[in-house]
Amino acid sequence: EAAVTQSPRNKVAVTGGKVTLSCNQTNNHNNMYWYRQDTGHGLRLIHYSYGAGSTEKGDIPDGYKASRPSQENFSLILELATPSQTSVYFCASGPGQGGDTQYFGPGTRLLVL
Amino acid sequence: QQNVQQSPESLIVPEGARTSLNCTFSDSASQYFWWYRQHSGKAPKALMSIFSNGEKEEGRFTIHLNKASLHFSLHIRDSQPSDSALYLCAVNTGANTGKLTFGHGTILRVHP
Repeated sequence: EAAVTQSPRNKVAVTGGKVTLSCNQTNNHNNMYWYRQDTGHGLRLIHYSYGAGSTEKGDIPDGYKASRPSQENFSLILELATPSQTSVYFCASGPGQGGDTQYFGPGTRLLVL
Repeated sequence: QQNVQQSPESLIVPEGARTSLNCTFSDSASQYFWWYRQHSGKAPKALMSIFSNGEKEEGRFTIHLNKASLHFSLHIRDSQPSDSALYLCAVNTGANTGKLTFGHGTILRVHP
């Protein structure tokens, strides 16, 4: 089973502060993804990456940046956190082809006060 | 842009019942169709996928895909309390990018 880990698992931040969420995968997958999950909205794609050094905007990228420094690591950065970014964030990885399974991390619960 | 809709929003069924979950999509060029399951407080996990029209069965679970109708469904035979979860359908967005568009989910509760 593919392994994806996320840190921290829970985070409380203040409005206007900077937040960095980290994701690590040990499966040598090319693609990595950041989603947020809110009640009634399923999973919405924020940013994704095709490999080290690449980041692409997903469906809801505003207010978020991403960084992929290596094949294994993919970070999501909130430069100026707002209460509307309170959510559960999931990272996922996958080999990169259309028919491939995405494997999800355990999630990070973020509360912005 | 791909639009994926699920119905119903929630469902309560007795143990042993047959359960049907529905998903519609908007892009007729879509090629890959997934059901993910997410137990409360856990990560989503791929349950089943189908890539061509027709039916695919794995144990108690069956997927039906009708591309012409832009519709696919998940059927659970002999539903168990352990099937209680959020079910998310997903469709690929863009050819061979690996990107998925998810529906909003159906909450299933199976009561003993």
